Amino acid sequence: KNEVEQSPQNLTAQEGEFITINCSYSVGISALHWLQQHPGGGIVSLFMLSSGKKKHGRLIATINIQEKHSSLHITASHPRDSAVYICAVRQYGGATNKLIFGTGTLLAVQP
Amino acid sequence: GAVVSQHPSRVICKSGTSVKIECRSLDFQATTMFWYRQFPKQSLMLMATSNEGSKATYEQGVEKDKFLINHASLTLSTLTVTSAHPEDSSFYICSARAGQAYQETQYFGPGTRLLVL
Repeated sequence: KNEVEQSPQNLTAQEGEFITINCSYSVGISALHWLQQHPGGGIVSLFMLSSGKKKHGRLIATINIQEKHSSLHITASHPRDSAVYICAVRQYGGATNKLIFGTGTLLAVQP
Repeated sequence: GAVVSQHPSRVICKSGTSVKIECRSLDFQATTMFWYRQFPKQSLMLMATSNEGSKATYEQGVEKDKFLINHASLTLSTLTVTSAHPEDSSFYICSARAGQAYQETQYFGPGTRLLVL
């Protein structure tokens, strides 16, 4: 079992829909990242969370430390949101503070 | 937000040659830089972690003599793939962080696509 699990693996939505991507992890963490990777490959860091909730534009990220779970929400989705969304956690107390990555969620938003 | 650049963005080389990839933090000093490799439809795999002025720490299974990493300054790290072979063809991504504190965000470069013929 992977230390970081994402669901769903693939998601197709119609433009305008509200989208939720989930991330569950099994280790103690000091921080959780949500990343976006477009087809060209470049990665953008969307959020870094250690508690609570963050909002940026149409994106909202929440984390529940007790339940070891985080969600990424996209409101009023748009075709340009189509990308792979990756959850990554920084394990608490890790020697190098390296990130553990989920396998990603491929999102396709259709017009 | 902070920006990390990589150069080149794409490189094609012949088998047996060496390729150098540069990673720069443009508006902050990166005490720690990470090098990842990503194969198609797979997640990022950490290759090595480098701290400025010290030797890189390589992940298990990554040949340090093949993937030479230099982090000579707080804004520049280089990855050299020596004697490249077709199986080294991949997408290489660097990432940089300003400090060790848990609240430090990690910023990613745009990646370098390497094709070895």
